Amino acid sequence: SQELEQSPQSLIVQEGKNLTINCTSSKTLYGLYWYKQKYGEGLIFLMMLQKGGEEKSHEKITAKLDEKKQQSSLHITASQPSHAGIYLCGADGDSGYALNFGKGTSLLVTP
Amino acid sequence: EAGVAQSPRYKIIEKRQSVAFWCNPISGHATLYWYQQILGQGPKLLIQFQNNGVVDDSQLPKDRFSAERLKGVDSTLKIQPAKLEDSAVYLCASSLVAGSTEAFFGQGTRLTVV
Repeated sequence: SQELEQSPQSLIVQEGKNLTINCTSSKTLYGLYWYKQKYGEGLIFLMMLQKGGEEKSHEKITAKLDEKKQQSSLHITASQPSHAGIYLCGADGDSGYALNFGKGTSLLVTP
Repeated sequence: EAGVAQSPRYKIIEKRQSVAFWCNPISGHATLYWYQQILGQGPKLLIQFQNNGVVDDSQLPKDRFSAERLKGVDSTLKIQPAKLEDSAVYLCASSLVAGSTEAFFGQGTRLTVV
């Protein structure tokens, strides 16, 4: 089955700094999803990537899917306290459609 | 548009007791998922429904967990009897169709088994 590995596991950055979170798959990615989860709450959809080399941006968050479609990165520019939370990457699973998730990256942004 | 509704938000039970969670997906969404998220880990799929039929329940511990989606709308997930290791957040999600599409998640139910 597909394994998704996220790095780093946790991150503490100062407000205003840039940061990158990586997601590496053991198999070719046909659909890669990024979600954000606030502590103790549900997941909020951020972006979906499908094509090799694809890049999408929303406000200060940019996600890329590499050409070989086995790795994705999430980049936050000029981080703010509102960016704090757990970032999860998900991929279309072997079953056909339900997402498999990585373990998540916990982000804390300090003033 | 109303989101995915889950209840209760929190539940504390003793081991060997039973518990049930309820989920109301977004109107018109044919696909419904139940995930289990243990602290420090990503969500793990327990069961996927397409309308009122089961698509995938390969990771559902069927000796103690059961789920149903009557009439293809609301769904309930039951644990009977609960074990300490069942302590987790149970997330319900729905999507318009199965496939490469955005899934919307509810707030989750945090279960603590003592």
